[in-house]
Amino acid sequence: EDQVTQSPEALRLQEGESSSLNCSYTVSGLRGLFWYRQDPGKGPEFLFTLYSAGEEKEKERLKATLTKKESFLHITAPKPEDSATYLCAVRGGQNTGGFKTIFGAGTRLFVKA
Amino acid sequence: DTEVTQTPKHLVMGMTNKKSLKCEQHMGHRAMYWYKQKAKKPPELMFVYSYEKLSINESVPSRFSPECPNSSLLNLHLHALQPEDSALYLCASSQDQDFGELFFGEGSRLTVL
Repeated sequence: EDQVTQSPEALRLQEGESSSLNCSYTVSGLRGLFWYRQDPGKGPEFLFTLYSAGEEKEKERLKATLTKKESFLHITAPKPEDSATYLCAVRGGQNTGGFKTIFGAGTRLFVKA
Repeated sequence: DTEVTQTPKHLVMGMTNKKSLKCEQHMGHRAMYWYKQKAKKPPELMFVYSYEKLSINESVPSRFSPECPNSSLLNLHLHALQPEDSALYLCASSQDQDFGELFFGEGSRLTVL
């Protein structure tokens, strides 16, 4: 069964304290691993797409990496405005209706000034 | 500003009411999605439309009825809902169902009394 597991569930950091979020996945026929940011009461906002092991993407203080079994979202010197829920999602699977995107439960990040 | 527009932002309805949620995108995307999200939970896939045809229905109760009138519009018709159906309903679109990131709207917050 296709599955996405994120850890930790919640992460509290001081401003400037770098850390990483983990996303482990099992999916048949990966068609992309995605990272999204979601603020309370809003829809998820796309951050990165990774397609193959070894691939890396960067945007400001965020860097996403991918292996065959997991992805990491590295946050360097975070600021309070980085506080949000970070969702990992994978697209793939075998379904007669086509591929579908499955989300992990997310990591809630709190950055204190 | 999101390029996927959802209306209404908030909806309160009784269990005997009939209402609709609407979603519009003008990015030329050929896949559109409905997700349901409960508080502190990940988005759960409900329906996928690919090239205006329903391709995935995740065993959603018949009190939810999707409709895709054209490539830019997606509706979700609601009838005889239950209080447990209260949630944030998210519409999303992607280039197509096989590849590409999801672009989400801001969501419609539904409360069933």
